[in-house]
Amino acid sequence: KNEVEQSPQNLTAQEGEFITINCSYSVGISALHWLQQHPGGGIVSLFMLSSGKKKHGRLIATINIQEKHSSLHITASHPRDSAVYICAVRTDNTDKLIFGTGTRLQVFP
Amino acid sequence: DAGVTQSPTHLIKTRGQQVTLRCSPKSGHDTVSWYQQALGQGPQFIFQYYEEEERQRGNFPDRFSGHQFPNYSSELNVNALLLGDSALYLCASSLPGKTYEQYFGPGTRLTVT
Repeated sequence: KNEVEQSPQNLTAQEGEFITINCSYSVGISALHWLQQHPGGGIVSLFMLSSGKKKHGRLIATINIQEKHSSLHITASHPRDSAVYICAVRTDNTDKLIFGTGTRLQVFP
Repeated sequence: DAGVTQSPTHLIKTRGQQVTLRCSPKSGHDTVSWYQQALGQGPQFIFQYYEEEERQRGNFPDRFSGHQFPNYSSELNVNALLLGDSALYLCASSLPGKTYEQYFGPGTRLTVT
């Protein structure tokens, strides 16, 4: 079993829909990252969380440390949101990131 | 500020050959981490360089080695290439004391035939 699990693996949506991507982890962490990867490979950091909730534009990220679970929400989704969304955790006492396998999101007009 | 840059963008090599990938960190960043991302998978940590030394290493064989130069740029070397080494290789850099906040480069796509 992977230390970081994401669901769903693939997601399709119509423009305007509310999107939720989930991440569960099994290790002790100091922080959790949500990253966006577009075709071609470049990765952009969206959020870094250690507790609570963060919001940036139409994106919202939450984390529940007790349940070892985080969610990434996209409100009013748009075709330009189509990308792979990756959850990564930074384990206690290290600088290493452990990545989930990603959720491929396609938003259709 | 050019951000993190990597070269080359794409590379095709034959089994058994050796390859060198290069990474220039974002201006002011002193720590460089390398990741391997196989198709359809999340990135896997290879190693991290700080002050020209390997500071941490993931579960990769000795065929994977690296180097960091005084200007903080870094190289990833892979010897005796295997077909399974085909992947996107990502470099990420971070500020001194802020390794929790990494900036990723666009990656080098390596194909081994």
